[in-house]
Amino acid sequence: QVVLTQSPSASASLGASVKLTCTLSSWHSAYAIAWHQQQPEKGPRFLMRLDSDGSHIKGDGIPDRFSGSSSGAERYLTISSLQSEDEADYYCQTWDRDQRAFGGGTKLTVL
Amino acid sequence: QVQLQESGPGLVKPSETLSLTCTLSGGSVSTYYWTWIRQPPGKGLEWIGYIHYSGSTSRNPSLKSRVTMSLDTSKSQFSLKLSSVTAADTAVYFCARDKGGTEAYMDVWGKGTAVTVSS
Repeated sequence: QVVLTQSPSASASLGASVKLTCTLSSWHSAYAIAWHQQQPEKGPRFLMRLDSDGSHIKGDGIPDRFSGSSSGAERYLTISSLQSEDEADYYCQTWDRDQRAFGGGTKLTVL
Repeated sequence: QVQLQESGPGLVKPSETLSLTCTLSGGSVSTYYWTWIRQPPGKGLEWIGYIHYSGSTSRNPSLKSRVTMSLDTSKSQFSLKLSSVTAADTAVYFCARDKGGTEAYMDVWGKGTAVTVSS
């Protein structure tokens, strides 16, 4: 089964950039993923679909500050010009035939 | 604009069956996959399963024996039943739209409904 690994926490200063990482299990290194954002006390929101070649399709209304990239089994979410509302949990998610899986999530703190 | 709203009891007794409904507005359940995800307090997201408009389903192997899903196209609703619940099933339950196939991610989410399992 596919496994997604995320660091539990990250932090960056207001106005700076941050790069979050999601690592696919080695057998699934070519898989596409999706990134979701969950602000405090809210439901998740789809950010983007990210392919193994770094191409990505963002959800409606997602600012240009959010971008994705890939390298091998790693999938990245970069947020530039950090704003206070970017403080949230970020989850990667993938799929394998009829199964779906989430990473453990990264809690982003904006300093 | 497609929107999803979960509903159901906020409190369920141990060993009983948890029943939730998700109502879709602004779209049709006769396309896509309709998905349930949960989040225990202070923890991450766990995929429960989906039901396709054709009636086919898929479930998380860890919950498979306890999960039943159904779809009511006339009401634009889909439902989740989780049997023999314990305190470990206490969570916020989300419904979502899953595009399926090579695009099997959740692109529309409900706000979630909290369920506590307690006597």
